[in-house]
Parts: sequence; structure tokens; C-alpha cells
Amino acid sequence: GAGVSQTPSNKVTEKGKYVELRCDPISGHTALYWYRQSLGQGPEFLIYFQGTGAADDSGLPNDRFFAVRPEGSVSTLKIQRTERGDSAVYLCASSLSSGYTDTQYFGPGTRLTVL
Amino acid sequence: SQKIEQNSEALNIQEGKTATLTCNYTNYSPAYLQWYRQDPGRGPVFLLLIRENEKEKRKERLKVTFDTTLKQSLFHITASQPADSATYLCALVSSGGGADGLTFGKGTHLIIQP
Repeated sequence: GAGVSQTPSNKVTEKGKYVELRCDPISGHTALYWYRQSLGQGPEFLIYFQGTGAADDSGLPNDRFFAVRPEGSVSTLKIQRTERGDSAVYLCASSLSSGYTDTQYFGPGTRLTVL
Repeated sequence: SQKIEQNSEALNIQEGKTATLTCNYTNYSPAYLQWYRQDPGRGPVFLLLIRENEKEKRKERLKVTFDTTLKQSLFHITASQPADSATYLCALVSSGGGADGLTFGKGTHLIIQP
């Protein structure tokens, strides 16, 4: 079956612009996670959805970052007034539910470059 | 502060030998520890999960140990193959109720040389 997909695979933007990154989770997965991975680092947790609601957004670095999941499936990560420090790979993961042992399945990521 | 440490230097192992990767943590009380594999340009792929009350877990050529006294997990790949070359990440899930995002280490880059 299809895995987690993310679009676009690459996004180049200019400092100060607004970007949207999309995640299509595995069908039927109720939990969805966003992570950010900088070069040479492990993924860093940003936000987690259970269904349509953000259950934990403690990892969002500031109020320029926002994410939605209006119908409990596709999610969009939105970054306003992008800064060069936002350049990273943004990873999305989904899991069947939100239990401790539920495996998170990751997408290939969106590489964001802010010039 | 909370910290997860993995050897950030690349680990070179000869094909056929056992590769051992280390994950140390401080100021955590993990309920679970997971190991992931990540290839260049790809997202992490789940390999193994071990609970805090488990000492060891095996899956084919993979073995994970978890020592909550030493605050350390070891990840072993036996009979290593060049196809095992990748970055391996450990990730913690803290105890305390509810599901959270994973907290990852930086990963160790493993190179299996033919």
C-alpha cells in the first residue's frame, strides 16, 4: 500500500516569504507528526495531531509556524515570514493510533531552502 | 537538561563483523526506546522497540539492549553487510502518560566495508 507522501519534495523560497508543506498520511492512521531535521542532526519534534486536533504543539519554535489537519487526514505545515534558519528537511510521520508502541511511518520529507 | 548522545563520528566495520552502536541518555525516564534506520534523502524507518522493563530484543540479525541503570542502549548488527550502511537513530518515548513525538539522537553513520 501507499506510504506517507509529502509535497513538494523540494522547496526554495526567499527570506520573508510564506510556504506551505503538505503531508498525506497512510490511510486510516489517526495520529500524524511533524518533525524538522537539520543537516547532521536527528529529527526534532514539532507538532502532533490526533485526528483533527493538535494534541501537542510544544515543539513549534515560534508563532511563525502553524499546522492544520482539518479533516483528520492530510496535514499542512505553514511557515510565515521564512528565515534562513528555517532551512531544513521537514518530515511527516503517521501512526495507526497514538499509543506508545504504535510505529511511526515517515515520509521522504520536504527539503526547504530559504535564500 | 535532557540529552541523547550517539557517537556522531562514522563507524567503519568490515563486512561479516558485528557492528555495535551506542545510545546514551541523561535526565530522561524513557518508557520505550526505539531504533530507526535512515538512508540519504529518505525518512527514518522503524527497526526495533524495547520497553524499559526489557533487557534485550532481537529481530533477525539485529539485537537491542536497554540498561536503565546505565541509561544506555546498545544496537548490534551481526554478520554485517554493505547494505547495512546507513545512519542509525535512537529515539526515546518518555514515561508520563499520553503519546508524544519521539525525541531523537543525532544518529551514527555506519559504513560496512566489503
